Amino acid sequence: NAGVMQNPRHLVRRRGQEARLRCSPMKGHSHVYWYRQLPEEGLKFMVYLQKENIIDESGMPKERFSAEFPKEGPSILRIQQVVRGDSAAYFCASSRGGTSFGTDTQYFGPGTRLTVL
Amino acid sequence: GDSVTQMEGPVTLSEEAFLTINCTYTATGYPSLFWYVQYPGEGLQLLLKATKADDKGSNKGFEATYRKETTSFHLEKGSVQVSDSAVYFCALRKRAAGNKLTFGGGTRVLVKP
Repeated sequence: NAGVMQNPRHLVRRRGQEARLRCSPMKGHSHVYWYRQLPEEGLKFMVYLQKENIIDESGMPKERFSAEFPKEGPSILRIQQVVRGDSAAYFCASSRGGTSFGTDTQYFGPGTRLTVL
Repeated sequence: GDSVTQMEGPVTLSEEAFLTINCTYTATGYPSLFWYVQYPGEGLQLLLKATKADDKGSNKGFEATYRKETTSFHLEKGSVQVSDSAVYFCALRKRAAGNKLTFGGGTRVLVKP
């Protein structure tokens, strides 16, 4: 059973370009979460999605960032007009959902390391 | 808001030494508490968890007890191996905050042979 897949693993963009990060959840999982890890810091929550719905985007910057989780295909985190401060590791996690709160474990992907030149 | 504070690393140990990583939290209500481990170049893996006060989570020789009176969830292992070298993250989750995890800053552990 494959784990959470993220691609690309490394992404280099110049300032002003768009970055598109993909996340395929584990089989049977319908909940996806995106976290950002700035250098030498812990992970910070960005957004929580279920299929075709954004449940909580309280951690996502209001401008340039967007996320989706379509009915078919992976979840996408899009960053428009990237700036140097967007350089970070972006982690996706998935969970099964539909279970009791205490047992809905999040499983993490290997991350995408974005470097903005 | 909710927060998690971990001891800063790096923590350098010799093989078979005792490991403790301190973790304290600030949160209203009754959060669930977690330890995740990140090996080099990989994503985070759940190491153990505890969902209520006085619960003890354990896995792979690691243990942590949910202490509500001291708002702590310290991670311990009696005898570390080189393969335990990794970054360890303490985290909390509250039902009222949806399913999102709030992480500490991480503690890098290096075990030398």
